[in-house]
Amino acid sequence: GAGVSQSPRYKVAKRGQDVALRCDPISGHVSLFWYQQALGQGPEFLTYFQNEAQLDKSGLPSDRFFAERPEGSVSTLKIQRTQQEDSAVYLCASSPHRVLRYNEQFFGPGTRLTVL
Amino acid sequence: KNEVEQSPQNLTAQEGEFITINCSYSVGISALHWLQQHPGGGIVSLFMLSSGKKKHGRLIATINIQEKHSSLHITASHPRDSAVYICAVNRNTDKLIFGTGTRLQVFP
Repeated sequence: GAGVSQSPRYKVAKRGQDVALRCDPISGHVSLFWYQQALGQGPEFLTYFQNEAQLDKSGLPSDRFFAERPEGSVSTLKIQRTQQEDSAVYLCASSPHRVLRYNEQFFGPGTRLTVL
Repeated sequence: KNEVEQSPQNLTAQEGEFITINCSYSVGISALHWLQQHPGGGIVSLFMLSSGKKKHGRLIATINIQEKHSSLHITASHPRDSAVYICAVNRNTDKLIFGTGTRLQVFP
């Protein structure tokens, strides 16, 4: 079946521009995660949804970052007034309903954002 | 200090060699994950474990909860194993805390 997809794969923005990054999780997956990966670093947590509820947004670096998942499926990460330090790969992951305490996460290919 | 530390940061090997990548963590965890990331590609989950040992093909993952340490072993390494290997942990939440990764290159 189809995996997690993200679009666009690459985005170049001018400083100050708003961007929207989309994630299509695996169908039926309850949990959805956004991570930010700077060049040469491991990913860092941004935010987490269970269905449409945003349960944890502690990793969002500023109020310029906003995420939503209105129908509990597709999610959008929006960055307003982009800055150069926002340049990174943005990864989306989904995981199925929690039967066990923790589940394997399935990652999308990422969106590489470059802010000029 | 990162909560999840990996060593080595970079590793080169000749095809056929036995490879070990280490992960140490400084906090209590509920589960530990080993992930693989190819250049320009997405991340693939290799293992999730909370105790003992797991094996899948040529890959073996072990964890010692008391010592807060995990290892990923690759037997009979192959150039296609070249990738970044990332250790990540759950700390009583669903979100993952990642190490910085180990870049492995296997030469023929």
